[in-house]
Amino acid sequence: AQSVTQLGSHVSVSEGALVLLRCNYSSSVPPYLFWYVQYPNQGLQLLLKYTSAATLVKGINGFEAEFKKSETSFHLTKPSAHMSDAAEYFCAVLRGGNEKLTFGTGTRLTIIP
Amino acid sequence: DTGVSQDPRHKITKRGQNVTFRCDPISEHNRLYWYRQTLGQGPEFLTYFQNEAQLEKSRLLSDRFSAERPKGSFSTLEIQRTEQGDSAMYLCASSIDGQPNYGYTFGSGTRLTVV
Repeated sequence: AQSVTQLGSHVSVSEGALVLLRCNYSSSVPPYLFWYVQYPNQGLQLLLKYTSAATLVKGINGFEAEFKKSETSFHLTKPSAHMSDAAEYFCAVLRGGNEKLTFGTGTRLTIIP
Repeated sequence: DTGVSQDPRHKITKRGQNVTFRCDPISEHNRLYWYRQTLGQGPEFLTYFQNEAQLEKSRLLSDRFSAERPKGSFSTLEIQRTEQGDSAMYLCASSIDGQPNYGYTFGSGTRLTVV
């Protein structure tokens, strides 16, 4: 079975501060990992993805994530938060051969002016 | 590439009524997925199609739910005899078979409110 755990349902950071959103996965084989962002009343937009090519993955809007096999983690970071980053963020896992993306419960990011 | 389109964006219905949602995937994507998302939760898988074949259905998909993709292009999701517990965002996504590394492209969703 595969699943993802997102630690912290709510995270608040000051504008300009580091953003760190945590995701741990469980999978018997190296998975494909994704971060999606969801703005209010919108669908999900792909931020970035890990597909085994490189452990440090850069995405849109200045976000990046590092795949750490030893820690089974794929945490999302951004050096300097912007007000427009306020949204819900979802980590998701997909194992080749298992055709369903499985999502974590999400982390709501609030930016403090 | 016009993205994944869902219609309607919002639907308010009375309990017991039937509703139908439509999803138009990216034209070259042969896989189409339906997810349901309730407040404060991540999306949960409902069902998926490869071309016109429905390959898997979640246990979340009760007998009141039915999905079709008759010509392997657009898909419909129908809920019969709606209940208040059906209130949720229904998300459609599409992808290309054999390329899981690309992930899914999601539509903007249909928000259903059952009153």
